[in-house]
Amino acid sequence: NAGVMQNPRHLVRRRGQEARLRCSPMKGHSHVYWYRQLPEEGLKFMVYLQKENIIDESGMPKERFSAEFPKEGPSILRIQQVVRGDSAAYFCASSPRQGRSGANVLTFGAGSRLTVL
Amino acid sequence: AQKITQTQPGMFVQEKEAVTLDCTYDTSDQSYGLFWYKQPSSGEMIFLIYQGSYDEQNATEGRYSLNFQKARKSANLVISASQLGDSAMYFCAMLMEGRDDKIIFGKGTRLHILP
Repeated sequence: NAGVMQNPRHLVRRRGQEARLRCSPMKGHSHVYWYRQLPEEGLKFMVYLQKENIIDESGMPKERFSAEFPKEGPSILRIQQVVRGDSAAYFCASSPRQGRSGANVLTFGAGSRLTVL
Repeated sequence: AQKITQTQPGMFVQEKEAVTLDCTYDTSDQSYGLFWYKQPSSGEMIFLIYQGSYDEQNATEGRYSLNFQKARKSANLVISASQLGDSAMYFCAMLMEGRDDKIIFGKGTRLHILP
């Protein structure tokens, strides 16, 4: 039973390019959270999705950032026209929503580290 | 506004001593959950312990216990008999069941265990 899979683990982009980060949730998990972590800082909530529906995107910047979780395939966090300030680790976590208890409420992927040159 | 506050940016503790990492939270919801995660230098997020707002007993997981004081809105993590491998960042988090299960994190405490 694979955990939460994020790819790529490391991504380098030049300013103005697009970054696409993918997250496949744990089997049986219907909900996905995305967080951003700047160096030596905490995890900042970005967006929370279920299949084909954004539940809460209050942490997403209004421009250049978008997220989706299609019926088939992974959740994708897309950053258009990247700037140096977008350099961070982006963590995805998944949740079963039903039958949550303790450790299984939120399972994290290993993170995707974006570097913008 | 919903918020998690960790007031200790860094701590140094002697090996084998007990450690208390502070966490206070702010929510008007009646039903919520509180977590602690460990992030070692390798970067992964490791679940440590969970406490539901209606749980009457404080949660314990091995050397970890959560000192839950609901009236004070605090959920401190206690690590007994600290080990060198406990050196890491520690994050407190809150699941807000009244807000579609949004989960927010504090800024973290960096714990250094000294030999």
